[in-house]
Amino acid sequence: AQTVTQSQPEMSVQEAETVTLSCTYDTSESDYYLFWYKQPPSRQMILVIRQEAYKQQNATENRFSVNFQKAAKSFSLKISDSQLGDAAMYFCAYTIPASKLTFGTGTRLQVTL
Amino acid sequence: GAVVSQHPSRVICKSGTSVKIECRSLDFQATTMFWYRQFPKKSLMLMATSNEGSKATYEQGVEKDKFLINHASLTLSTLTVTSAHPEDSSFYICSAEGTTYNEQFFGPGTRLTVL
Repeated sequence: AQTVTQSQPEMSVQEAETVTLSCTYDTSESDYYLFWYKQPPSRQMILVIRQEAYKQQNATENRFSVNFQKAAKSFSLKISDSQLGDAAMYFCAYTIPASKLTFGTGTRLQVTL
Repeated sequence: GAVVSQHPSRVICKSGTSVKIECRSLDFQATTMFWYRQFPKKSLMLMATSNEGSKATYEQGVEKDKFLINHASLTLSTLTVTSAHPEDSSFYICSAEGTTYNEQFFGPGTRLTVL
């Protein structure tokens, strides 16, 4: 069974600084997708960034980027120039085509002034 | 685009009654929708996968007779919590699968409180 591990229950970053959230996964599949979702206090799940396993290039969306290490089965999220609005729970997720999402346990990110 | 709505956002009911939660994809058709349950400060737990026109597939440990799922159209799936009890109180989230990247779009969730 596929598993997703987020080893950091909580992280804290100062405004304007950079923070990296860790995620590792276990799979025997070669075709899969990885995601980072953000869940702010409103509890609305928001897609932050996605990565296709067949793509070697790391995905980037404005201040958010990933470090995808396929051999190491690692998929970390880097948030640059952190803003107060980035404070939320962040979930790493994995899926294969036509299958369900497997979520990690989440990392709570605090952003301080 | 890719907006999913859920109704109601909050519901309070008495023990023993049934509650229906609706999940709609507003600007796209979703063959597959998912229902999750989330406990405070925890991750999302998949309850069932709902496919339009067919029976839902429930995850192990989820009572299909208690959590009835109907996916009658490509834009609507419903979750009915039957004979609700206080232990069913939780945050329920639906999602709809997009057409690319196996991406799921999430509804805003429904907070159910059973007294």
